[in-house]
Amino acid sequence: DARVTQTPRDKVTEMGQEVTMRCQPILGHNTVFWYRQTMMQGLELLAYFRNRAPLDDSGMPKDRFSAEMPDATLATLKIQPSEPRDSAVYFCASGLLLMEGWTEAFFGQGTRLTVV
Amino acid sequence: AQTVTQSQPEMSVQEAETVTLSCTYDTSESDYYLFWYKQPPSRQMILVIRQEAYKQQNATENRFSVNFQKAAKSFSLKISDSQLGDAAMYFCAYRRVRRDDKIIFGKGTRLHILP
Repeated sequence: DARVTQTPRDKVTEMGQEVTMRCQPILGHNTVFWYRQTMMQGLELLAYFRNRAPLDDSGMPKDRFSAEMPDATLATLKIQPSEPRDSAVYFCASGLLLMEGWTEAFFGQGTRLTVV
Repeated sequence: AQTVTQSQPEMSVQEAETVTLSCTYDTSESDYYLFWYKQPPSRQMILVIRQEAYKQQNATENRFSVNFQKAAKSFSLKISDSQLGDAAMYFCAYRRVRRDDKIIFGKGTRLHILP
């Protein structure tokens, strides 16, 4: 049963601490997205990758957020230093873009981050 | 820039009845994909239905169907025979048919099912 795996599922941290969220995309998928979900803003795209290369990270606060794909099986989203306004649910999704079209994006269960 | 608008923050429907969730979008593209995702309390985002803009026929998946009006840039979701398990947030989403493009989501509609 192929699925996107995100860890941790929940994270509580103190302001100023570094937070790293991990995502294992579905094997063979060539596109990975990071979204942030809040009540006020809904689902915001932070960054996305194609074949491990970043295509767009314009939605990400560059001073404290960074996203990487060290290899095809792992995507990371790091916040350093974390702030209370970063509290949200962070979703990773993966999909497969083929020449003949796009397949659906599969989402992980998200990481609920609380910064106190 | 492309935008997706869901004008109904919340809706309620009686169990077994039919409900329609609205979505409009703004784009200058002629070819794109549209999606409806469901997010139950478990947080999992689940694809409900998708529509390719070049297809005139409305997509259908069991009790879920869409009314795709390309000229009006409207993409509504109809849920027939509503069930308690349909209670969730529903997100409308858009993606251009380009290799470097991303999925854009609306703000969502929370659907309540009344027993």
